[in-house]
Amino acid sequence: SQTIHQWPATLVQPVGSPLSLECTVEGTSNPNLYWYRQAAGRGLQLLFYSVGIGQISSEVPQNLSASRPQDRQFILSSKKLLLSDSGFYLCAWGDGVSNEQFFGPGTRLTVL
Amino acid sequence: AQRVTQPEKLLSVFKGAPVELKCNYSYSGSPELFWYVQYSRQRLQLLLRHISRESIKGFTADLNKGETSFHLKKPFAQEEDSAMYYCALRDPFSGGYNKLIFGAGTRLAVHP
Repeated sequence: SQTIHQWPATLVQPVGSPLSLECTVEGTSNPNLYWYRQAAGRGLQLLFYSVGIGQISSEVPQNLSASRPQDRQFILSSKKLLLSDSGFYLCAWGDGVSNEQFFGPGTRLTVL
Repeated sequence: AQRVTQPEKLLSVFKGAPVELKCNYSYSGSPELFWYVQYSRQRLQLLLRHISRESIKGFTADLNKGETSFHLKKPFAQEEDSAMYYCALRDPFSGGYNKLIFGAGTRLAVHP
């Protein structure tokens, strides 16, 4: 069966430090991959999505970037974190057929 | 741009009472709609989708194109229904990317 992992689960970083959040999917090939930020009262904001290795689309301009170095690996990065980057980050995958998305456990990022 | 509106941030009911979580969308065509749920300390997961026309955990949701609504209903709430509920619309212009547009979410609190 398919599973999706995210790490770390929680992260506290100082302003100006770099960021790397990792998401991996098992049990499926060539998934669509998504990064979301979940904010209280604002729902889920789609940040990036990818339909294949090396292919990244950005939804909103921001201080973050994403990469997909392998078929089932999706990385969210920043060179210099801002206070406003604090939040809960969710990774999801979809099979491109059912239109359903399956979510990982999330990473709580606090920038101090 | 397409949008999903969940007007209530919090819905508080007593056990056994009927529940209706409101969702309105903006799209003039035939939408594909979902309800996702996030229980405490659990992952965000699909609850139901309108094309299935099924009842999950006693919940149903009917698409009303005239009112552009997809309200989630349950006749008798249970304490274990307490969770965060998100309504989502598949972005009709996202093609194979299958992007989802989420509402801000409604927290359902069922009291004993």
